[in-house]
Amino acid sequence: DGGITQSPKYLFRKEGQNVTLSCEQNLNHDAMYWYRQDPGQGLRLIYYSQIVNDFQKGDIAEGYSVSREKKESFPLTVTSAQKNPTAFYLCASSSADRETNEKLFFGSGTQLSVL
Amino acid sequence: AQKVTQAQTEISVVEKEDVTLDCVYETRDTTYYLFWYKQPPSGELVFLIRRNSFDEQNEISGRYSWNFQKSTSSFNFTITASQVVDSAVYFCALRGVYNFNKFYFGSGTKLNVKP
Repeated sequence: DGGITQSPKYLFRKEGQNVTLSCEQNLNHDAMYWYRQDPGQGLRLIYYSQIVNDFQKGDIAEGYSVSREKKESFPLTVTSAQKNPTAFYLCASSSADRETNEKLFFGSGTQLSVL
Repeated sequence: AQKVTQAQTEISVVEKEDVTLDCVYETRDTTYYLFWYKQPPSGELVFLIRRNSFDEQNEISGRYSWNFQKSTSSFNFTITASQVVDSAVYFCALRGVYNFNKFYFGSGTKLNVKP
């Protein structure tokens, strides 16, 4: 079945530690996204990538980094510079076609907590 | 500026009641797309509907219906004869054409359907 796989489902970060969240898709989508969800708030865009080897900052990129070396993969690193990393992180993908109203497909999320 | 407002933070109803979730949007784009997503307790966002700005016809899908009114910039979602399985957080989202890789989400409405 085609879809988006995020791992791990739960992740704990120690003070000063960098952690990486995995996102893999087999939908052959060009665009991939990382969103952060805090309780009672909507989804906020961290980074997005329209094509391999290219990515852009979203609205809250500080303290995060990404890479897009393969079409299928878009890992997110939460660095020690992110002072409030506890949140639910959602990865998504789409066909990145301007002319269509293509929707976002989402993974099942990773809950990151600070120890 | 693009913005989506879901003023209802949380709604509680008893099973079989009808319920309407409100969504108001702001955009300067003349062409845009609107979406509704459902987020059950498992965390993954599930796509419900998309609508482009040129199509103001209301849509019905089983117990779900959507009322799109450009005059009031609203895209409301009604669940008829609600069921316990409808309990979830519902997000409304907006996507423009010019910055077509950015989806703007509302803060979500948590729906509790009690038996």
